[in-house]
Amino acid sequence: GAGVSQSPSNKVTEKGKDVELRCDPISGHTALYWYRQRLGQGLEFLIYFQGNSAPDKSGLPSDRFSAERTGESVSTLTIQRTQQEDSAVYLCASSWTSGNVRNEQFFGPGTRLTVL
Amino acid sequence: GENVEQHPSTLSVQEGDSAVIKCTYSDSASNYFPWYKQELGKRPQLIIDIRSNVGEKKDQRIAVTLNKTAKHFSLHITETQPEDSAVYFCAALSGGSYIPTFGRGTSLIVHP
Repeated sequence: GAGVSQSPSNKVTEKGKDVELRCDPISGHTALYWYRQRLGQGLEFLIYFQGNSAPDKSGLPSDRFSAERTGESVSTLTIQRTQQEDSAVYLCASSWTSGNVRNEQFFGPGTRLTVL
Repeated sequence: GENVEQHPSTLSVQEGDSAVIKCTYSDSASNYFPWYKQELGKRPQLIIDIRSNVGEKKDQRIAVTLNKTAKHFSLHITETQPEDSAVYFCAALSGGSYIPTFGRGTSLIVHP
């Protein structure tokens, strides 16, 4: 079946502009994650959605970052007033969760954001 | 919160050699430990995982061992091949969280 998809694959923007990144999770996956990966670095957790519960926003680096998800479908990550340090690959992942069982995360191809 | 340390940051081996990557974690409640492989320019993909009720798991040339007492787990790759070259990330999840804590990654280079 289809995997996690993200759009756009690349985004170049000017400092101060807003950007919106989209993630389509695997159908049926209740959990959705956003991560940031700077060049040559690890995976930095941003936000987690689980079904209709309130999201865990503990990883968002500033109030310029926000994300939404409608039910168990598409999610959008919005970065307002972009700064050069926001340049990174933004990865989305989804997984199926049930009770206390933790399962594999399936990652999307990422959106490479470049802020000039 | 959980803290995961991963070593080494870079590992260079000759084709056919074995490679071992080690991770330690701090939260004794962690019970799920996945390993992800990220090839250059690609997305991370799960290669093996282990839950806290077992001490070792193997899948062909890849194995993971878990020592709950010492709070460390390791990835073992035998008979390495050039296509094993990638960045490997370990992660830990505690029983009370669905958010994994990732290690900083190990860049494995397999020389033909």
